[in-house]
Amino acid sequence: GDSVTQTEGQVALSEEDFLTIHCNYSASGYPALFWYVQYPGEGPQFLFRASRDKEKGSSRGFEATYDKGTTSFHLRKASVQESDSAVYYCALGENNYAQGLTFGLGTRVSVFP
Amino acid sequence: DMKVTQMPRYLIKRMGENVLLECGQDMSHETMYWYRQDPGLGLQLIYISYDVDSNSEGDIPKGYRVSRKKREHFSLILDSAKTNQTSVYFCASSLSLGGLSSYEQYFGPGTRLTVL
Repeated sequence: GDSVTQTEGQVALSEEDFLTIHCNYSASGYPALFWYVQYPGEGPQFLFRASRDKEKGSSRGFEATYDKGTTSFHLRKASVQESDSAVYYCALGENNYAQGLTFGLGTRVSVFP
Repeated sequence: DMKVTQMPRYLIKRMGENVLLECGQDMSHETMYWYRQDPGLGLQLIYISYDVDSNSEGDIPKGYRVSRKKREHFSLILDSAKTNQTSVYFCASSLSLGGLSSYEQYFGPGTRLTVL
């Protein structure tokens, strides 16, 4: 079945550091890829998506590029702030849309002032 | 304001008791979901509802059932709750099935259920 692997379980950074969270996927078809963010005490929120090879998704200073060759969708942000402290989920959705999203296990990002 | 609400936010039950978790949305979304979130396991899909009385099992449906009698409401029922059902439960909704917008899910704030 489909799966999403996030390499980092936890990341600790200082403000203005560069953030990278690695996401790799395995899917039988040509899935759409997503990033969701979950702030403490809240449900996950859609961040952005990409649906084609080499397409870049972005929002709130975060970005990721769909790479079909390496089956990756790594999340990056150039300069993090304390308010970016959250859990980030990479997810994929197959084009039949019938079974919803497959989420990775999440990466907890802690940004310290 | 687009919103998904969940009630209650916190619930403590004893093993064997019945549990009802309620979810509502004000966006007229056709598709709704129930997930549970556990440390180290991420988000796991329990059930999907495509519309009123049109439900489908997700990845971990055992021990759960759902009810959707109105488009804006989706309930998760645990008949005779077990301690391993202690978790945080999230409801979500999305636009109609089909197209990438189906995957832009709006999540509620979650219900923390403890089964003793």
